[in-house]
Amino acid sequence: AQTVTQSQPEMSVQEAETVTLSCTYDTSESNYYLFWYKQPPSRQMILVIRQEAYKQQNATENRFSVNFQKAAKSFSLKISDSQLGDTAMYFCAYLDRGSTLGRLYFGRGTQLTVWP
Amino acid sequence: GAVVSQHPSWVICKSGTSVKIECRSLDFQATTMFWYRQFPKQSLMLMATSNEGSKATYEQGVEKDKFLINHASLTLSTLTVTSAHPEDSSFYICSARDVAGVYNEQFFGPGTRLTVL
Repeated sequence: AQTVTQSQPEMSVQEAETVTLSCTYDTSESNYYLFWYKQPPSRQMILVIRQEAYKQQNATENRFSVNFQKAAKSFSLKISDSQLGDTAMYFCAYLDRGSTLGRLYFGRGTQLTVWP
Repeated sequence: GAVVSQHPSWVICKSGTSVKIECRSLDFQATTMFWYRQFPKQSLMLMATSNEGSKATYEQGVEKDKFLINHASLTLSTLTVTSAHPEDSSFYICSARDVAGVYNEQFFGPGTRLTVL
C-alpha cells in the first residue's frame, strides 16, 4: 500500500514569515495526484493545493506553493506571509490516478501554529 | 463549488443505542463516498468505502456489523453505529468523490462528533 510520511508533528511560525512543511511518499505508480489539506479548529477539511505527478511545474495557490520532487518522492508545502488564520493541522495526501475507488492516503499531519 | 453536508453535526447517546449519521452531496453526484474516523490530533482513518447500489468495502479491523453503511442514492450515504459504546465516541467524517470532476477529487463533510455515555 502507498504510504505518506509527515515527519514534523508540530511547527510554529511568526506571522508574516515563511514556513515549509515536509511530506514524503512511497509508491510504485507513475500517475498520481498529491494534495495538501488544511484542517482548522472547526475540523472542516479544506483543500489547499494539488499537484499532478506528470506535471513538472510546481503548483501554486496565492501564498501556498509546493516543491514537488518526483524522483525523491518529496512534496513539501511552503506558506509565505503566514497569517493567524493559517493555524491548523495540515495533511499531505496521495491519490493513485488509476484507482477505481479513488482512495486517499493521508500522512499523520503537521500541527502548524502561527503566532503574532 | 462542491458541497458535502453531514447530519447531525454532533450527537450524544446512551450506551447500547444506535446512531445514524447522514452524508449528502448537495450539488453533484457521488457514486463513491468514504467514511473516516478521527481521534483528537490524529490523522483520518478510513473506515469504509461505499459505492452507490452495492455493499460497502470495509477496511481491515473495522466491524461491518457495528458500522453499517448504506449508499442508496447518488447523493446520500448513511453510517449507522449499532449498539454504541463509549469507545465508539469519536469524530466521524464523510467525503464524496465527484466522478464528473477532473481530479477525482474528494469533498469532505464538516464531520459529526459522537459522544456515547
